[in-house]
Amino acid sequence: GENVEQHPSTLSVQEGDSAVIKCTYSDSASNYFPWYKQELGKRPQLIIDIRSNVGEKKDQRIAVTLNKTAKHFSLHITETQPEDSAVYFCAASKRAGQNFVFGPGTRLSVLP
Amino acid sequence: DVKVTQSSRYLVKRTGEKVFLECVQDMDHENMFWYRQDPGLGLRLIYFSYDVKMKEKGDIPEGYSVSREKKERFSLILESASTNQTSMYLCASSWTGRSYEQYFGPGTRLTVT
Repeated sequence: GENVEQHPSTLSVQEGDSAVIKCTYSDSASNYFPWYKQELGKRPQLIIDIRSNVGEKKDQRIAVTLNKTAKHFSLHITETQPEDSAVYFCAASKRAGQNFVFGPGTRLSVLP
Repeated sequence: DVKVTQSSRYLVKRTGEKVFLECVQDMDHENMFWYRQDPGLGLRLIYFSYDVKMKEKGDIPEGYSVSREKKERFSLILESASTNQTSMYLCASSWTGRSYEQYFGPGTRLTVT
């Protein structure tokens, strides 16, 4: 079955710096890769996603890149702010409605 | 606005008790999921359902069962709770075909003593 690895497990950056979180997946049939943000005590919420027919997607300060050949994808956050502090999860899925396989999560701390 | 609710935010049960966790969604989603969240392990899928009365095992189904008698409701059952089932339980739901996004409930923190 699918296996998703995520690095680093913790990441601290200074406010205004960039943060990068990387994930790898094992199943080449996976074609949808979401990123969820979970603030302390709250539910995970989708922040950005990418499908396998696209190499990069951007939404304001957040971007995701996908390398299908290498089977890895990354989340990039620019100009980090304290409210970006949270746990971020990557995931992989094969089709709409199908279950996700999540990575173990990255705890991002943005220091003022 | 999608709404996924769970019956309890916090629950304390004793070893051996039968435990019911309820999840309800109001967006007519076909798919519903139960995850367990533990530090350093991410979200692990316990069971999921693509339709009423239908269920599929996820990655860690042992010790759990589920029930989906109505489209909007998906129940997770711990037949005989054990201390290693102390965890955060998250329910999620999604459409089939229209969107990949899963919408999560607020979670139930279960403590088994």
